[in-house]
Amino acid sequence: QSALTQPASVSGSPGQSITISCTGTSSDVGGYNYVCWYQQHPGKAPKLMIYEVTNRPSGVSSRFSGSKSGNTASLTISGLQAEDEADYYCSSYTSRSTGVLFGGGTKLTVL
Amino acid sequence: QVQLVQSGAEVKKPGASVKVSCKASGYTFTGYYMHWVRQAPGQGLEWMGWINPNSGGTNYAQKFQGRVTMTRDTSISTAYMELRSLRSDDTAMYYCARDPGHYCTSTGCYWSFDFWGQGTLVTVSS
Repeated sequence: QSALTQPASVSGSPGQSITISCTGTSSDVGGYNYVCWYQQHPGKAPKLMIYEVTNRPSGVSSRFSGSKSGNTASLTISGLQAEDEADYYCSSYTSRSTGVLFGGGTKLTVL
Repeated sequence: QVQLVQSGAEVKKPGASVKVSCKASGYTFTGYYMHWVRQAPGQGLEWMGWINPNSGGTNYAQKFQGRVTMTRDTSISTAYMELRSLRSDDTAMYYCARDPGHYCTSTGCYWSFDFWGQGTLVTVSS
């Protein structure tokens, strides 16, 4: 199955806000409010940042927020900090498989 | 606190098999599905499959059908992933990840992973 589409890279300066998009279809992102986001620093395991489109797990900074419009989900990071530099992956419900659908990943660079 | 601790790095020759373990602690092992996800060097995340530690039921990604087996030992709260007939493109970091709760319909599912193992690097080289 095709991965969800994410930009390969995004960048921003400290203090700015950035948004990472995750585009799918009505069979996945657009079909249900079930999208999550992971952050992965180099050499580390992924970390869950957002689940069910907008919810933050305990301990995740409120600077991270999620949203969805149509077939595109978005992760917004406000007040960008150097420690936010990482790879970010989205994942979504899919009606085409009982497996897991990931996006291709986005590398965030903090300038 | 929840922890998933994986076995150490492995180096295998093409055609061999590898078995990676994932020991869970800090929660009821049989209460949560366990998934395996791999990541080739410089690449994205690739889902391999899941095991229901309570029933032992499994579901594998089509790509790995016939080559992967996921098992568990509830007496020691440990999940295992065995991959056979290894090839050079199986060189990757392999992660176990806990599913806190999923949503499934008759045709599809949503999964999220709230805790991950530290990863096990499997290198396949002649």
